[in-house]
Amino acid sequence: EVHLLESGGGLVQPGRSLRLSCATSGFTFDHYALHWVRQAPGKRLEWLSGISWNSATIGYADSVKGRFTISRDNAKNSLYLQMNSLRAEDTAMYYCVRDRHLTVAGTFDYWGQGTLVTVSS
Amino acid sequence: EIVLTQSPATLSLSPGERVTLSCRASQNINNFLAWYQHKLGQAPTLLIYDAADRATGIPARFSGSGSGTDFTLTISSLEPEDFAVYYCQQRSKWPYTFGQGTKLEIK
Repeated sequence: EVHLLESGGGLVQPGRSLRLSCATSGFTFDHYALHWVRQAPGKRLEWLSGISWNSATIGYADSVKGRFTISRDNAKNSLYLQMNSLRAEDTAMYYCVRDRHLTVAGTFDYWGQGTLVTVSS
Repeated sequence: EIVLTQSPATLSLSPGERVTLSCRASQNINNFLAWYQHKLGQAPTLLIYDAADRATGIPARFSGSGSGTDFTLTISSLEPEDFAVYYCQQRSKWPYTFGQGTKLEIK
Protein backbone atom coordinates (compact mmCIF):
# COMPACT_ATOMS: atom_id res chain seq x y z
CA GLU A 1 0.00 0.00 0.00
CA VAL A 2 1.29 3.44 -0.97
CA HIS A 3 2.01 5.76 1.95
CA LEU A 4 3.28 9.33 2.05
CA LEU A 5 3.86 10.93 5.44
CA GLU A 6 4.71 14.60 5.77
CA SER A 7 6.51 16.10 8.74
CA GLY A 8 8.23 19.31 9.72
CA GLY A 9 5.28 21.68 9.87
CA GLY A 10 4.60 24.01 12.76
CA LEU A 11 4.46 27.61 13.87
CA VAL A 12 7.20 29.85 12.45
CA GLN A 13 7.78 33.59 12.45
CA PRO A 14 7.68 35.61 9.23
CA GLY A 15 11.04 35.70 7.48
CA ARG A 16 12.23 32.45 9.03
CA SER A 17 12.79 29.05 7.40
CA LEU A 18 11.27 25.60 7.69
CA ARG A 19 12.07 22.28 6.06
CA LEU A 20 9.30 19.82 5.27
CA SER A 21 10.00 16.14 4.78
CA CYS A 22 7.93 13.38 3.21
CA ALA A 23 8.70 9.76 4.02
CA THR A 24 7.27 7.25 1.58
CA SER A 25 6.69 3.52 1.39
CA GLY A 26 4.80 0.93 -0.61
CA PHE A 27 6.17 1.77 -4.05
CA THR A 28 9.44 1.99 -6.00
CA PHE A 29 10.37 5.55 -5.09
CA ASP A 30 12.68 6.33 -8.02
CA HIS A 31 10.03 5.32 -10.56
CA TYR A 32 7.87 8.36 -9.87
CA ALA A 33 7.94 12.13 -9.93
CA LEU A 34 6.77 13.91 -6.78
CA HIS A 35 5.19 17.24 -5.92
CA TRP A 36 4.23 19.58 -3.11
CA VAL A 37 0.71 21.01 -3.09
CA ARG A 38 -0.75 23.29 -0.43
CA GLN A 39 -4.14 24.58 0.64
CA ALA A 40 -4.48 27.80 2.59
CA PRO A 41 -7.56 28.26 4.79
CA GLY A 42 -10.59 28.90 2.60
CA LYS A 43 -8.56 28.75 -0.60
CA ARG A 44 -8.26 26.31 -3.48
CA LEU A 45 -5.48 23.77 -3.75
CA GLU A 46 -2.25 25.26 -5.09
CA TRP A 47 0.52 23.32 -6.82
CA LEU A 48 3.89 24.55 -5.54
CA SER A 49 6.62 22.41 -7.02
CA GLY A 50 7.41 19.15 -8.78
CA ILE A 51 10.54 17.04 -9.25
CA SER A 52 11.16 14.22 -11.71
CA TRP A 53 12.37 10.77 -10.70
CA ASN A 54 16.04 11.68 -11.20
CA SER A 55 15.79 15.35 -10.12
CA ALA A 56 16.63 16.44 -13.68
CA THR A 57 13.37 18.35 -14.09
CA ILE A 58 12.14 20.71 -11.39
CA GLY A 59 9.39 23.29 -11.56
CA TYR A 60 7.96 25.91 -9.21
CA ALA A 61 4.92 28.10 -8.97
CA ASP A 62 5.71 31.81 -9.20
CA SER A 63 4.43 32.31 -5.65
CA VAL A 64 7.35 30.29 -4.22
CA LYS A 65 10.05 30.55 -6.88
CA GLY A 66 13.31 31.74 -5.37
CA ARG A 67 12.12 31.06 -1.80
CA PHE A 68 11.30 27.34 -1.79
CA THR A 69 13.53 24.47 -2.93
CA ILE A 70 12.32 20.96 -3.66
CA SER A 71 14.66 17.98 -3.44
CA ARG A 72 14.55 14.23 -3.11
CA ASP A 73 16.79 11.47 -1.80
CA ASN A 74 16.11 8.27 -3.70
CA ALA A 75 18.26 6.26 -1.28
CA LYS A 76 16.03 7.33 1.60
CA ASN A 77 12.71 7.25 -0.30
CA SER A 78 12.13 10.81 0.85
CA LEU A 79 11.03 14.16 -0.56
CA TYR A 80 11.84 17.56 0.92
CA LEU A 81 10.76 21.17 0.69
CA GLN A 82 13.08 23.85 2.02
CA MET A 83 11.03 26.98 2.67
CA ASN A 84 12.87 30.27 3.23
CA SER A 85 11.67 33.83 3.79
CA LEU A 86 8.30 32.62 4.94
CA ARG A 87 5.31 34.97 4.78
CA ALA A 88 1.92 35.00 6.44
CA GLU A 89 0.36 33.97 3.13
CA ASP A 90 2.38 30.73 3.22
CA THR A 91 0.15 29.55 6.07
CA ALA A 92 -1.45 26.37 4.75
CA MET A 93 -1.70 22.62 4.87
CA TYR A 94 1.16 21.20 2.81
CA TYR A 95 0.70 17.92 0.96
CA CYS A 96 3.30 15.56 -0.45
CA VAL A 97 1.95 14.07 -3.67
CA ARG A 98 3.02 11.32 -6.05
CA ASP A 99 2.77 11.72 -9.81
CA ARG A 100 1.55 8.85 -11.97
CA HIS A 101 4.67 9.23 -14.10
CA LEU A 102 8.47 9.35 -13.95
CA THR A 103 8.37 12.89 -15.28
CA VAL A 104 6.61 15.92 -13.83
CA ALA A 105 3.46 15.10 -15.79
CA GLY A 106 1.00 16.46 -13.27
CA THR A 107 -1.47 13.71 -12.42
CA PHE A 108 -1.46 13.31 -8.65
CA ASP A 109 -2.40 9.73 -7.81
CA TYR A 110 -1.47 9.50 -4.13
CA TRP A 111 -1.48 12.19 -1.46
CA GLY A 112 -0.22 12.37 2.10
CA GLN A 113 -2.40 13.57 4.97
CA GLY A 114 -0.60 16.90 5.05
CA THR A 115 1.42 18.92 7.53
CA LEU A 116 0.24 22.29 8.78
CA VAL A 117 2.49 25.34 8.47
CA THR A 118 1.51 28.51 10.29
CA VAL A 119 3.49 31.68 9.69
CA SER A 120 2.80 34.23 12.39
CA SER A 121 4.61 36.46 14.83
CA GLU B 1 -1.78 30.79 -15.77
CA ILE B 2 -4.77 28.66 -16.67
CA VAL B 3 -7.82 29.38 -14.53
CA LEU B 4 -10.31 26.62 -13.82
CA THR B 5 -13.84 27.60 -12.82
CA GLN B 6 -16.10 25.00 -11.24
CA SER B 7 -19.87 25.16 -10.97
CA PRO B 8 -21.90 25.11 -8.91
CA ALA B 9 -20.09 26.01 -5.70
CA THR B 10 -22.42 23.85 -3.61
CA LEU B 11 -24.94 21.14 -4.40
CA SER B 12 -27.46 19.68 -1.96
CA LEU B 13 -28.60 16.24 -3.03
CA SER B 14 -29.89 12.95 -1.66
CA PRO B 15 -28.31 9.49 -1.87
CA GLY B 16 -29.33 7.71 -5.05
CA GLU B 17 -29.49 10.88 -7.13
CA ARG B 18 -27.43 11.49 -10.25
CA VAL B 19 -25.13 14.53 -10.23
CA THR B 20 -23.03 16.34 -12.80
CA LEU B 21 -20.27 18.74 -11.80
CA SER B 22 -18.73 21.21 -14.26
CA CYS B 23 -15.26 22.58 -14.76
CA ARG B 24 -14.35 25.22 -17.36
CA ALA B 25 -10.80 26.13 -18.35
CA SER B 26 -9.73 29.62 -19.39
CA GLN B 27 -7.98 28.17 -22.45
CA ASN B 28 -7.75 24.91 -24.37
CA ILE B 29 -6.23 22.16 -22.20
CA ASN B 30 -7.01 19.26 -24.57
CA ASN B 31 -7.90 16.36 -22.25
CA PHE B 32 -5.33 17.14 -19.54
CA LEU B 33 -7.82 17.35 -16.71
CA ALA B 34 -8.20 15.37 -13.50
CA TRP B 35 -10.86 15.21 -10.80
CA TYR B 36 -10.20 14.69 -7.07
CA GLN B 37 -12.42 14.00 -4.09
CA HIS B 38 -11.48 15.60 -0.79
CA LYS B 39 -13.04 14.78 2.56
CA LEU B 40 -12.32 16.86 5.64
CA GLY B 41 -9.23 15.63 7.46
CA GLN B 42 -8.31 13.12 4.78
CA ALA B 43 -5.92 13.05 1.86
CA PRO B 44 -7.47 13.94 -1.50
CA THR B 45 -8.25 11.00 -3.80
CA LEU B 46 -7.68 10.89 -7.54
CA LEU B 47 -10.93 9.90 -9.26
CA ILE B 48 -10.47 10.65 -12.97
CA TYR B 49 -7.40 11.57 -15.03
CA ASP B 50 -6.99 12.71 -18.59
CA ALA B 51 -10.65 13.76 -18.58
CA ALA B 52 -12.21 10.31 -18.78
CA ASP B 53 -9.90 7.63 -17.35
CA ARG B 54 -10.97 6.24 -14.00
CA ALA B 55 -8.17 5.87 -11.45
CA THR B 56 -7.34 2.55 -9.84
CA GLY B 57 -10.02 1.34 -7.45
CA ILE B 58 -12.55 4.06 -8.26
CA PRO B 59 -16.12 2.78 -8.60
CA ALA B 60 -17.78 2.77 -12.00
CA ARG B 61 -20.44 5.25 -10.82
CA PHE B 62 -17.81 7.98 -11.31
CA SER B 63 -17.26 9.08 -14.91
CA GLY B 64 -15.63 12.03 -16.61
CA SER B 65 -16.02 13.64 -20.00
CA GLY B 66 -15.02 16.67 -22.01
CA SER B 67 -12.12 18.16 -23.91
CA GLY B 68 -10.80 21.58 -24.79
CA THR B 69 -12.31 23.94 -22.21
CA ASP B 70 -15.43 22.22 -20.86
CA PHE B 71 -15.43 19.15 -18.63
CA THR B 72 -17.87 17.26 -16.45
CA LEU B 73 -17.72 14.74 -13.65
CA THR B 74 -20.80 12.58 -13.27
CA ILE B 75 -21.76 10.39 -10.33
CA SER B 76 -24.50 8.12 -11.56
CA SER B 77 -26.07 7.30 -8.18
CA LEU B 78 -24.83 9.03 -5.05
CA GLU B 79 -23.64 6.89 -2.16
CA PRO B 80 -23.43 8.33 1.40
CA GLU B 81 -19.62 8.30 1.21
CA ASP B 82 -19.65 10.52 -1.91
CA PHE B 83 -20.55 13.68 -0.02
CA ALA B 84 -17.33 15.67 -0.13
CA VAL B 85 -15.58 18.48 -2.01
CA TYR B 86 -14.59 17.83 -5.63
CA TYR B 87 -11.76 19.62 -7.41
CA CYS B 88 -10.71 19.67 -11.03
CA GLN B 89 -7.06 20.20 -11.98
CA GLN B 90 -5.24 20.83 -15.26
CA ARG B 91 -1.84 19.55 -16.26
CA SER B 92 -1.68 21.13 -19.69
CA LYS B 93 0.74 23.87 -18.65
CA TRP B 94 2.82 24.86 -15.66
CA PRO B 95 1.82 25.96 -13.15
CA TYR B 96 -0.66 23.15 -12.68
CA THR B 97 -3.85 24.70 -11.34
CA PHE B 98 -7.00 23.62 -9.53
CA GLY B 99 -10.58 24.75 -9.59
CA GLN B 100 -12.11 26.32 -6.51
CA GLY B 101 -14.09 23.18 -5.72
CA THR B 102 -17.71 22.02 -5.62
CA LYS B 103 -19.08 20.95 -2.27
CA LEU B 104 -21.54 18.09 -2.43
CA GLU B 105 -23.71 18.07 0.68
CA ILE B 106 -26.52 15.85 1.87
CA LYS B 107 -29.99 17.30 1.43
